[in-house]
Amino acid sequence: AQSVSQHNHHVILSEAASLELGCNYSYGGTVNLFWYVQYPGQHLQLLLKYFSGDPLVKGIKGFEAEFIKSKFSFNLRKPSVQWSDTAEYFCAVQYGNKLVFGAGTILRVKS
Amino acid sequence: DAGITQSPRYKITETGRQVTLMCHQTWSHSYMFWYRQDLGHGLRLIYYSAAADITDKGEVPDGYVVSRSKTENFPLTLESATRSQTSVYFCASRAAGPYNEQFFGPGTRLTVL
Repeated sequence: AQSVSQHNHHVILSEAASLELGCNYSYGGTVNLFWYVQYPGQHLQLLLKYFSGDPLVKGIKGFEAEFIKSKFSFNLRKPSVQWSDTAEYFCAVQYGNKLVFGAGTILRVKS
Repeated sequence: DAGITQSPRYKITETGRQVTLMCHQTWSHSYMFWYRQDLGHGLRLIYYSAAADITDKGEVPDGYVVSRSKTENFPLTLESATRSQTSVYFCASRAAGPYNEQFFGPGTRLTVL
């Protein structure tokens, strides 16, 4: 079965620290990749997406992700986090018509 | 400019009752989806629809029924609610084609007592 793994369930960082959230998926074929963010009490919003081309993708709010096909990975990064980045982050992989989500990573940024 | 809306936003019901969650989108997107969000599981796909009158099962369809008589609406019915169906339910929609993102509604928090 297709699956998406997020390595960290909870991450606590201080403001200005760098962030990297891991995401691996199980399928070796062509996939579309996404990172979504869910701020407390809100619905999911798209941070960034990868369909093809440059494997380094830049998204909103200073986030970026790198697609490494050989490792089936799509890790999310941000050089310097802010308190307002406190949220839950979901990696998602599109297999055909379906989007499969990872379990999510809760990020708490201490001010 | 409503986008995608869900109703109700909060619902408390009892075991065995029938509950219908509504989803409406204004973009005329072909695809619509229902997910449930549970701690530790992320979002899991319940059902999806590629067009009016076309629906298909997702990862966790048991206990749920969907219909799509109109492109803009995609109601989800719990025919006989169980406590294990206590969750947050998100509806999403997407335009046809392989390079389009899904847009999510605000969610419905359902509690089954």
